[in-house]
Amino acid sequence: GAGVSQSPSNKVTEKGKDVELRCDPISGHTALYWYRQSLGQGLEFLIYFQGNSAPDKSGLPSDRFSAERTGGSVSTLTIQRTQQEDSAVYLCAILSLQGAGTEAFFGQGTRLTVV
Amino acid sequence: GQNIDQPTEMTATEGAIVQINCTYQTSGFNGLFWYQQHAGEAPTFLSYNVLDGLEEKGRFSSFLSRSKGYSYLLLKELQMKDSASYLCAVRDFYSGAGSYQLTFGKGTKLSVIP
Repeated sequence: GAGVSQSPSNKVTEKGKDVELRCDPISGHTALYWYRQSLGQGLEFLIYFQGNSAPDKSGLPSDRFSAERTGGSVSTLTIQRTQQEDSAVYLCAILSLQGAGTEAFFGQGTRLTVV
Repeated sequence: GQNIDQPTEMTATEGAIVQINCTYQTSGFNGLFWYQQHAGEAPTFLSYNVLDGLEEKGRFSSFLSRSKGYSYLLLKELQMKDSASYLCAVRDFYSGAGSYQLTFGKGTKLSVIP
């Protein structure tokens, strides 16, 4: 998506290992969201950042999930002790105010497979 | 939180017009988005409505009625490449947390047939 880069694009990890997913938006977008999408399912909200703070962490599924954002830009989502049910595509989205309108762009996502 | 409803699946014919509806219930409404998602790809932004009325963008139009908690996405002159899932998303402002949540419906899978 325009203005959002996610890495890695694909990650295969063994159950029990930790993984770190990265979202790198172009500068100037204060609002950043993380979602996950399991195969054939809708988008599940995980966490929202306004600047570097996360006023809404309500979607994080367990304490194995954490996220941070530094410099109002790059965000990382960390999953500790991964489980097979964590397998999904993890998507990052930013909101951009453009003139009188608003657009929200997604990165291409990280496909996580826990084996 | 929000309750966002949209039909699970729809089928339409190439060249025709299709309307995909979305209803929502929310307390701090702050805008409604429509996205297109092809299988295996990330969602792509189609439209944003925050005021009542119709927004037109080429073959795609989106309508919003805040009083009815209702939106629709209208696709004209359907093409085979329009076969995809269409996601409705509502942005809510939570004054207590000072945050905006962006919640998605489960999507409508549109199949365009010859």
